[in-house]
Amino acid sequence: GENVEQHPSTLSVQEGDSAVIKCTYSDSASNYFPWYKQELGKRPQLIIDIRSNVGEKKDQRIAVTLNKTAKHFSLHITETQPEDSAVYFCAAPNNDMRFGAGTRLTVKP
Amino acid sequence: DGGITQSPKYLFRKEGQNVTLSCEQNLNHDAMYWYRQDPGQGLRLIYYSQIVNDFQKGDIAEGYSVSREKKESFPLTVTSAQKNPTAFYLCASSYNPGQGNQPQHFGDGTRLSIL
Repeated sequence: GENVEQHPSTLSVQEGDSAVIKCTYSDSASNYFPWYKQELGKRPQLIIDIRSNVGEKKDQRIAVTLNKTAKHFSLHITETQPEDSAVYFCAAPNNDMRFGAGTRLTVKP
Repeated sequence: DGGITQSPKYLFRKEGQNVTLSCEQNLNHDAMYWYRQDPGQGLRLIYYSQIVNDFQKGDIAEGYSVSREKKESFPLTVTSAQKNPTAFYLCASSYNPGQGNQPQHFGDGTRLSIL
């Protein structure tokens, strides 16, 4: 299966700052890259995804960038708010679905 | 996500007992997945199924079994061979990943504890 590495494991930012989480993958055949947000005790929910035919996708304060040559993709959250505090997971599925280890983001008011 | 129902929400297992976690979806998804999540940890893949009557082992399949007799249902049995079953179990589904990977939808999870 696909190996997905996610960094950092924890991230603490001040409200209003930006946060960036990065994932690298090993299978060059991967063509779909989703990001999920999981609040404490709840299910993961898809927040944004990107396919390999584009390099960047944006949805309000959230953006994802993809570098297929380097095999990495990143989640960018701008103007962070306390409600952005959660665990974020990336994935680079190729017929199965394995996730990165997660990043615990804390936004301090 | 209202399209995937996991039950029960909480489950307790006695030593030497098998327990079955239910997962039902009405999203007409082809693929279904089971994950285990330990406190403060990520999602580890237990089993997945892309079509009815077929499933594959994930990274931590030992001590677990599944069946996929219907498209809508993918129950997970935690057997007595699983010595440390206490965890949060999440079921997910998606359209057929073989037709271009698709996003997953998750259930609300089942929290399993040992008595």
